[in-house]
Amino acid sequence: EVQLVESGGGLVQPGGSLRLSCAASGFTFSSYSMNWVRQAPGKGLEWVSYISTSSSTIYYADSVKGRFTISRDNAKNSLYLQMNSLRAEDTAIYYCARDRGGYYDILTGHYRGGYFDSWGQGTLVTVSS
Amino acid sequence: EIVLTQSPGTLSLSPGDRATLSCRASQSVSSNYLAWYQQKPGQAPRLLIYGASSRATDIPDRFSGSGSGTDFALTISRLEPEDFAVYYCHHYGSSTGTFGQGTKLEIK
Repeated sequence: EVQLVESGGGLVQPGGSLRLSCAASGFTFSSYSMNWVRQAPGKGLEWVSYISTSSSTIYYADSVKGRFTISRDNAKNSLYLQMNSLRAEDTAIYYCARDRGGYYDILTGHYRGGYFDSWGQGTLVTVSS
Repeated sequence: EIVLTQSPGTLSLSPGDRATLSCRASQSVSSNYLAWYQQKPGQAPRLLIYGASSRATDIPDRFSGSGSGTDFALTISRLEPEDFAVYYCHHYGSSTGTFGQGTKLEIK
């Protein structure tokens, strides 16, 4: 059974930092691209970041570019999101999600993200003073 | 970046009714890279449909997806009590993922 378990959320002051983790099990983690998706309280879903299997391709939403860093450790079956310079608008539940259906774009030499077939239960990040 | 607009914002129906949810893209979606998710309160989203019309594993056949280009739809043929939830469409296959704002399906 595929399992994704996020951790690392909590209360942080504006301008602070936090590192989220996602522990994967039940599948060959190194064979799948991964994503972070967030949801502000009472709001819709917002894609945050994508990382390919070997970390060769990484994408970020404009809203977090330059502040967040996605990474993975295939030996530890883990996905990470380092969040710096946090703002009140970053308050949300952060989900890790497994990527399916993506492809390698020969023209650009980069991977393109797919849909999200498995999700963790999320970890809540609250940015407030 | 493709913008997805879902309609209606809220849909009020009764169990046994047929539900049709719409997702319109601001430009054509290549290769029908369009997915649908269901989210119930306090739960993570669940994949229903990918490739515009392919059902995900273990999804009942009362759920179906259709459309191409810029207009897509999710149809639930006969609503069950557990189907009342929020539904999101999602464009993928690019360097950024985009979600629609969601349609809340509520019991009338």
